[in-house]
Amino acid sequence: NAGVTQTPKFQVLKTGQSMTLQCAQDMNHNSMYWYRQDPGMGLRLIYYSASEGTTDKGEVPNGYNVSRLNKREFSLRLESAAPSQTSVYFCASEKGQTTNYGYTFGSGTRLTVV
Amino acid sequence: LAKTTQPISMDSYEGQEVNITCSHNNIATNDYITWYQQFPSQGPRFIIQGYKTKVTNEVASLFIPADRKSSTLSLPRVSLSDTAVYYCLVGAHSGNTPLVFGKGTRLSVIA
Repeated sequence: NAGVTQTPKFQVLKTGQSMTLQCAQDMNHNSMYWYRQDPGMGLRLIYYSASEGTTDKGEVPNGYNVSRLNKREFSLRLESAAPSQTSVYFCASEKGQTTNYGYTFGSGTRLTVV
Repeated sequence: LAKTTQPISMDSYEGQEVNITCSHNNIATNDYITWYQQFPSQGPRFIIQGYKTKVTNEVASLFIPADRKSSTLSLPRVSLSDTAVYYCLVGAHSGNTPLVFGKGTRLSVIA
C-alpha cells in the first residue's frame, strides 16, 4: 500500500498564480487533513475533512480552499499565491475513530512563491 | 483542545536512554496522548499512543501517571538515527477534533 500520496513534491510559483496540491490515500480512512510547516516551526492546520462530504477550517485557512473529491482524495487550492505561502505542505489521513494508529502523513509538497 | 508543553531541545549521547516529558494539565477525559517523530524533509510519523499507565512498543515506551497531566516518552539506547523532532499531542481522535502540533522537542544524538 502506498499510504498517503502527495503531488507535486516541489513547485515554484510566481506571486498571483494559482495551483492545486493533490492528496490521495488508499487506506479507506475517513478523515483527511492539510497542514503547513514553516522553517523551524511546528505544523499548522489549514483545513480538514472529518468525513467525505464535509470540510472545515483549521488555524490558518486564509488564502486556501479545499475539496474532498471523494473518500480517497482531498485537494488544497491556492487561488492567488503569495510569498507568505512559501512552506512545506503535508497531507494526512486517519480512520477518524478512536484508534491506536494515529495520523498517516504524506511526504510533503515544498512550495516556493516568488 | 488540551495545550501541551515540552522542552524545545535536548541533547544525548548514543546508547543512552532519553526521556522527553510533556505537560498537559487540561487533558480531557476522552483524550489520548500521542507522540510523533519527524525527520528532516519528511512528514511526521506516529510512534506511540496511550491513555493511562504504560504502553510499550518496538520503538518506545510511554509512561502516563494516574492524573494524566503529563506523560514521558522514553527512547531506549538512542542512536544517531533517532535525531529528530518529537511532538506530543493530546486529542480525542474523533476526526472532528484535529490534532494541534506544537513546535515539538528537537532531539540531537551525539556520537
